[in-house]
Amino acid sequence: GAVVSQHPSWVICKSGTSVKIECRSLDFQATTMFWYRQFPKQSLMLMATSNEGSKATYEQGVEKDKFLINHASLTLSTLTVTSAHPEDSSFYICSARGTSGRKGTDTQYFGPGTRLTVL
Amino acid sequence: AQSVTQLDSHVSVSEGTPVLLRCNYSSSYSPSLFWYVQHPNKGLQLLLKYTSAATLVKGINGFEAEFKKSETSFHLTKPSAHMSDAAEYFCVVSRKGGYNKLIFGAGTRLAVHP
Repeated sequence: GAVVSQHPSWVICKSGTSVKIECRSLDFQATTMFWYRQFPKQSLMLMATSNEGSKATYEQGVEKDKFLINHASLTLSTLTVTSAHPEDSSFYICSARGTSGRKGTDTQYFGPGTRLTVL
Repeated sequence: AQSVTQLDSHVSVSEGTPVLLRCNYSSSYSPSLFWYVQHPNKGLQLLLKYTSAATLVKGINGFEAEFKKSETSFHLTKPSAHMSDAAEYFCVVSRKGGYNKLIFGAGTRLAVHP
């Protein structure tokens, strides 16, 4: 099946530092990747849509200068949380949409998530 | 606007009994609908999807869902629950303006008791 990985799976950092989270599609190419945020016992909220080779599209209320997204290749997107603060602590999940073929273009495949704790 | 409502935040069943997780949607056009499952500290796994083909959709692990336009519902069912089915389930509708922008329901936590 379609596999999406995230690294790291969890990270603890000090307030004011920056943290980078990687999202990789392991067995398919993904023109579009998505970044979500999930608070404890809550649903997923879309943060931004990342298209390979172009700027990300951010959802309303998401600070693009705080959450930097780069989609440099068809298999890798990164989310950098800059100057992290305790309120940024959350579970960050990425997903990837296939380009064509068996993996399809109509389904998002999700990574296992990254738990960020900012002290 | 599109929205999805999962009618139960928690559902508890005994192993071997049927499972029903309810989902209603609102959409200004024909939607695509999905059910995803999330086990603790794991990523979301697609159970099944409806994309305007057959209204009864069969998914993995014995789950199925029926799209009922007249009732704007997409309830998830399974004839016999297994202990491994205990997880969080999300009903998801595709969002206008981009086929793959997804709107998630609040989730239903399924507990399965021996």
